[in-house]
Amino acid sequence: DQQVKQNSPSLSVQEGRISILNCDYTNSMFDYFLWYKKYPAEGPTFLISISSIKDKNEDGRFTVFLNKSAKHLSLHIVPSQPGDSAVYFCAATDTNAGKSTFGDGTTLTVKP
Amino acid sequence: KAGVTQTPRYLIKTRGQQVTLSCSPISGHRSVSWYQQTPGQGLQFLFEYFSETQRNKGNFPGRFSGRQFSNSRSEMNVSTLELGDSALYLCASSETATNEKLFFGSGTQLSVL
Repeated sequence: DQQVKQNSPSLSVQEGRISILNCDYTNSMFDYFLWYKKYPAEGPTFLISISSIKDKNEDGRFTVFLNKSAKHLSLHIVPSQPGDSAVYFCAATDTNAGKSTFGDGTTLTVKP
Repeated sequence: KAGVTQTPRYLIKTRGQQVTLSCSPISGHRSVSWYQQTPGQGLQFLFEYFSETQRNKGNFPGRFSGRQFSNSRSEMNVSTLELGDSALYLCASSETATNEKLFFGSGTQLSVL
């Protein structure tokens, strides 16, 4: 039973356009959501997060949207840059249990 | 502050052997989590320790075990290695018990031949 799903294994966008990465979850106990970025041969690094009491959080070119009723999370990158090319992992945390569950990742390629 | 340090960086073992991986968290972080990454499988949760106690455990066989020391350093052990254990093993630390934000090491790439 996969509790966090990223249905798109890969996404390719043109430089300057918007990248939208999606994530769905099933466990209602998740109360904190994050996006991590991973380059080859490195560990994931934190990108942006959102608490379950909010529906939007913005940080520069990155915005995360949370739709609790749909149990859906999305990451918008505007404008996309070639340096954004990486694997993006969606993560959902049950802070009471102290446990984070990750999706399978989406490989984003931004073409110059 | 130094980041999360994992050793060794690369490891080659043969089936049936055992292996121990080490993780030093960021100074002051008391929570350590371990994940396994295989191609197409994302990050699979192994276990999480806080103040030397295992609080959470993933769905891995008993061959996978871990521990945390009083200085928060953690080790993960895999006994009787199988070919399918080949993966990148990632350690992450957090400054809070709720683990909202994880800081990852670069991982140990384990190859089982």
